[in-house]
Amino acid sequence: QKEVEQNSGPLSVPEGAIASLNCTYSDRVSQSFFWYRQYSGKSPELIMSIYSNGDKEDGRFTAQLNKASQYVSLLIRDSQPSDSATYLCAVKEYTGNQFYFGTGTSLTVIP
Amino acid sequence: GAVVSQHPSRVICKSGTSVKIECRSLDFQATTMFWYRQFPKQSLMLMATSNEGSKATYEQGVEKDKFLINHASLTLSTLTVTSAHPEDSSFYICSAGQGVNSPLHFGNGTRLTVT
Repeated sequence: QKEVEQNSGPLSVPEGAIASLNCTYSDRVSQSFFWYRQYSGKSPELIMSIYSNGDKEDGRFTAQLNKASQYVSLLIRDSQPSDSATYLCAVKEYTGNQFYFGTGTSLTVIP
Repeated sequence: GAVVSQHPSRVICKSGTSVKIECRSLDFQATTMFWYRQFPKQSLMLMATSNEGSKATYEQGVEKDKFLINHASLTLSTLTVTSAHPEDSSFYICSAGQGVNSPLHFGNGTRLTVT
């Protein structure tokens, strides 16, 4: 049984701070890793994809992957109230089409 | 970028009726689409994997005769909720990916309310 685990939160940070979201996964052969943002009442939207160890930056977002530790994280710099949402970690297995989602971390950015 | 269109966005139906939800990949072909359900303040729950030209694969506990999935073309999958009941009221979301390592792209979801 493949598992993707996230701290459900809620995580609260003040505006302008760095929000750090963490995700661990159980399957060592997982190949692709994704972060999604889901606003209340809306469907998930893709923020970042990461496939190799290390950091990947896109604007205020940085994804970090450590396959040896089976750990992927998302950092949000200069957090804004509009970043308040649930963040979903997703892992795709090396073979096949299946994606595995964590239960999400709720983030609140306090103005 | 890849776009997944889902229709309708909101539907209200009476108990006992059926509702069809469409999911289209607008700018890519999708041999596989996924259907999720999400109750308020809960996480995504995978209902079934829709495979073009073959039967869908349902997750444990999801009734295949109640949630009919048809994936007749590479750009369209439909989910029909048959004999809907109030407990079927939920947010239904479809998704599809473009290739082996591509992410899933989600439709905007369908909010179903059964009265």
